[in-house]
Order: sequence, then C-alpha cells, then structure tokens
Amino acid sequence: DADVTQTPRNRITKTGKRIMLECSQTKGHDRMYWYRQDPGLGLRLIYYSFDVKDINKGEISDGYSVSRQAQAKFSLSLESAIPNQTALYFCATGGRTNDYNEQFFGPGTRLTVL
Amino acid sequence: KNQVEQSPQSLIILEGKNCTLQCNYTVSPFSNLRWYKQDTGRGPVSLTIMTFSENTKSNGRYTATLDADTKQSSLHITASQLSDSASYICVVSARGGYQKVTFGIGTKLQVIP
Repeated sequence: DADVTQTPRNRITKTGKRIMLECSQTKGHDRMYWYRQDPGLGLRLIYYSFDVKDINKGEISDGYSVSRQAQAKFSLSLESAIPNQTALYFCATGGRTNDYNEQFFGPGTRLTVL
Repeated sequence: KNQVEQSPQSLIILEGKNCTLQCNYTVSPFSNLRWYKQDTGRGPVSLTIMTFSENTKSNGRYTATLDADTKQSSLHITASQLSDSASYICVVSARGGYQKVTFGIGTKLQVIP
C-alpha cells in the first residue's frame, strides 16, 4: 500500500461548489503539507501542519482551508471553487527529525473547476 | 525574493546518452538543496540532498553538484534509460523555518530509444 494516499485522484466540479480533498499517510510523520502545481509554475505551498494542533498558512492560502483530523489525516477544502483553482494538488508528509525537510508526496489530485 | 531557476525547460536525449540539468538560486541564507524526480502523473520523489559543505553527491546514475559560492547546482544523469523520462525539480531551503522552501519549475526530460 502507498505511504501517502490522496482521494479523489480526479475531480471535475462547477464554480461555486464546495470541494474537499483528502490525504492519509501511514508513515507516522508529524508534518503534513498541501501544495498546488500549475503548468509553468513550481509547486506552491497552500497550508502546512506540524502536528494536530498546529496549522499554518503557506504562500497561497486564500480561498482554501484545511483540517488536521488526526496525525495521519489532513484535508484541504475549497469553500467555493473558482476556475483558477484548476490545478494538480499534492499532499506531502515529513518527520519531526526529518533529514532537512525531505517531503514524501502523494500521487496528486487533478482538480478541474468549470 | 528567493528564486530558483532551472534550465533547460525541456530536453530530449537518446537512450544511453548523458545529460546535465542546471539549477541557479538566489535563496538566502542557504540551508540545503534537493533534487526531486517527478514521473508523469505522480508526486515528486527525492533523489539527493546537498548541504552547504557538500560539493558532489551521487545516487546511482544521478550525480548532483553544488557550488555555494556561485549558487549553482547541476544534476548529471549517466547512461540514460527510458525510465529517466520525467521532470526534475530543484528545491532550495533557506534557514529559518519551513516556509522558506522554494521550488523550481523543473526540467522535463524525455529519453527516446
């Protein structure tokens, strides 16, 4: 089984709809992250969490919210999706004593907002 | 502003040939530089990490170099294989907390038979 899983893998939705992307990990890591990837741009950090009670905004948090339900689960929500949120979304994990911030990425969720 | 620039944006090489990918950065104060490989439709996977004091590090057919003075890194792939076809992403971290991680756009490599 994959260490970091994301659901759904693909999603098409309409403008204004609420969307939740889910991430689960079996690596036992404390740290979890959400990124988006757009063509021609590098991965950009949306939110990150260093433990269940710690949530931090990243570079591009506007329009997104997150929930850290447990050490192993970190979900990303788009309260009212808009077309420019069409992107590839990645969840990643890292350990507290992790070697220089190494990230372990999930397979990604391709989201299309019409 | 911290920036990471990679070149070329894309590259096509014949199977068995070598290639070198470049990464220039302006991240400061520098902590470490990591190269990731991202296969199409998958998340990135770490290949190597280099800290300030390291000049060269190898991982199989992948060799990364770092010149901290000129703020340049390269990733050399030897005897390329079809499975090397992927995007290669340079990621540079600054000291001072996780938010200070900057991703390059990546170099898309295609290895053809």
